[in-house]
Amino acid sequence: RKEVEQDPGPFNVPEGATVAFNCTYSNSASQSFFWYRQDCRKEPKLLMSVYSSGNEDGRFTAQLNRASQYISLLIRDSKLSDSATYLCVVNSGAGSYQLTFGKGTKLSVIP
Amino acid sequence: EAGVVQSPRYKIIEKKQPVAFWCNPISGHNTLYWYRQNLGQGPELLIRYENEEAVDDSQLPKDRFSAERLKGVDSTLKIQPAELGDSAVYLCASTPEGDRGRKGQFFGPGTRLTVL
Repeated sequence: RKEVEQDPGPFNVPEGATVAFNCTYSNSASQSFFWYRQDCRKEPKLLMSVYSSGNEDGRFTAQLNRASQYISLLIRDSKLSDSATYLCVVNSGAGSYQLTFGKGTKLSVIP
Repeated sequence: EAGVVQSPRYKIIEKKQPVAFWCNPISGHNTLYWYRQNLGQGPELLIRYENEEAVDDSQLPKDRFSAERLKGVDSTLKIQPAELGDSAVYLCASTPEGDRGRKGQFFGPGTRLTVL
């Protein structure tokens, strides 16, 4: 089983749609979870951390299910500018600096 | 605040040639990471520095790759000799002291290497 698995997509959605991405991780010791966004030919940028209780940042909602080792990202009211690759990222354990990145899920928001 | 700076942004070389990449992390960030990102993949860690000490280089192909961070600030990653399979984007990232990456890592724009 790969350490961090994501559906590579692409997800092609119309503007205004709601889209959800899922991610599973294999290391039960992982303690820190993130979603990064990467635009084409650019560097990854932190979109949001994922907390146990779930968290929201504007149109973006992240959820964590530790029992199932599952992370999700929900984007509401999609904008053209949301088109990017979304990387699921987990660390290697409590206090660990090491991050493992998924391959990313590509999103294209269509006018 | 200036972000992570990397140079060059692009490099094209022939196989068996040497190449070097430079990174200057965000001021005050003592943890520095070098990643390699292949097309369609997520970044993969090559080496992590805490100040000038390489504390995790288990994924660095030591037969041809080397890195240094002599004064605990900027860093250089070298490949000698380069192979065709080394074509990738080499990303540098940094985090502040004590953060342990809890607030994520800050990436530079990367160096896109093409080996012909």
